[in-house]
Amino acid sequence: DTEVTQTPKHLVMGMTNKKSLKCEQHMGHRAMYWYKQKAKKPPELMFVYSYEKLSINESVPSRFSPECPNSSLLNLHLHALQPEDSALYLCASSQERKYQETQYFGPGTRLLVL
Amino acid sequence: GNSVTQMEGPVTLSEEAFLTINCTYTATGYPSLFWYVQYPGEGLQLLLKATKADDKGSNKGFEATYRKETTSFHLEKGSVQVSDSAVYFCALSGSQGNLIFGKGTKLSVKP
Repeated sequence: DTEVTQTPKHLVMGMTNKKSLKCEQHMGHRAMYWYKQKAKKPPELMFVYSYEKLSINESVPSRFSPECPNSSLLNLHLHALQPEDSALYLCASSQERKYQETQYFGPGTRLLVL
Repeated sequence: GNSVTQMEGPVTLSEEAFLTINCTYTATGYPSLFWYVQYPGEGLQLLLKATKADDKGSNKGFEATYRKETTSFHLEKGSVQVSDSAVYFCALSGSQGNLIFGKGTKLSVKP
């Protein structure tokens, strides 16, 4: 089973709202990733967690706050977002965070910021 | 630095036509190479992968061979179906465990 699940599937929020995206995997993977994908573009890496510790933050604005409560779960907390943050947010996981590992993606959360 | 270049679409084919989507890469070391597919409104699905030179990845009739001498990983399928319409991303594994993507190629297959 190579399933990564994400909730919600769709989210509409105002610029003053606080919301969270959730990602879950039960493959025993120890690396988890958040990507942002704008329309007609490839995914862009935002954050990487390895063994529940943040190991890469690709200069993402502080209005995005990741959290990894345990090895199976990854959250992305959203606060005071801008309309340009509207995008598809993808979660992925891999066995480890190392060279040549295969990443498995979830279906994504489509976010619209009004 | 590491990078991936893939042919930009859109590519429009008739059903049962032969498909090639070109992908070339620049990398130090020996990265793994991947093709991911994204159907409309969905996330990315791993289509196939290859981890070393001359490896051939295959899945659902799609194939790609890791060619180190030409730094290429072209995607091929002998007979496409309407259901293959999607965006295809070539990617390589970066040194920090990240993925480096090409820009994506949109494929439309007409009946």
